[in-house]
Amino acid sequence: DAGITQSPRHKVTETGTPVTLRCHQTENHRYMYWYRQDPGHGLRLIHYSYGVKDTDKGEVSDGYSVSRSKTEDFLLTLESATSSQTSVYFCAISLDRSFSNQPQHFGDGTRLSIL
Amino acid sequence: GQQVMQIPQYQHVQEGEDFTTYCNSSTTLSNIQWYKQRPGGHPVFLIQLVKSGEVKKQKRLTFQFGEAKKNSSLHITATQTTDVGTYFCAGLPYSGAGSYQLTFGKGTKLSVIP
Repeated sequence: DAGITQSPRHKVTETGTPVTLRCHQTENHRYMYWYRQDPGHGLRLIHYSYGVKDTDKGEVSDGYSVSRSKTEDFLLTLESATSSQTSVYFCAISLDRSFSNQPQHFGDGTRLSIL
Repeated sequence: GQQVMQIPQYQHVQEGEDFTTYCNSSTTLSNIQWYKQRPGGHPVFLIQLVKSGEVKKQKRLTFQFGEAKKNSSLHITATQTTDVGTYFCAGLPYSGAGSYQLTFGKGTKLSVIP
């Protein structure tokens, strides 16, 4: 498996608290992504990054912010967590965005529960 | 925005039976990827199709990309219990806003009865 580490793996927190999830890669891949996975919705893109300090919004970006100060780290922050953000969060990386046979490699996920 | 529809949502098969999942996009795709997620696991890349009408095989798995590059299918011959999991297609649009964003179908959850 690709060298992707997500932390924490599990977290339970209360509504209104800030939460930061971390994705760390050792592959030096340029592109990093944050997805959420919910029953009946599949995988939905929250934000992605195409380089240090370069990020863009995905399909479901409201309520989330991201930062990438180093190639290897991509942080996802919920400024004020809500119960609707209870989900499994996956980080993914890819070498290139182009269609030249570049798949995404996923981390093991973070199970986040907001009470 | 782009939508990727995947059917069926669930499929229960007897071990040894065949299985097919279908993926349809609302827009033309530059490529389509397929992933498998085992229960409790993370999505794992299976294959990418790029050319119109392309067919690729991986042992008992056959992947097809439609001539119009708007649909795709995954067929598993003689399913085994190791095939259990959810299969996702993910499409990359040709151009315009969101060109770098894979859009995932909702997946087909396969159960295999021994």
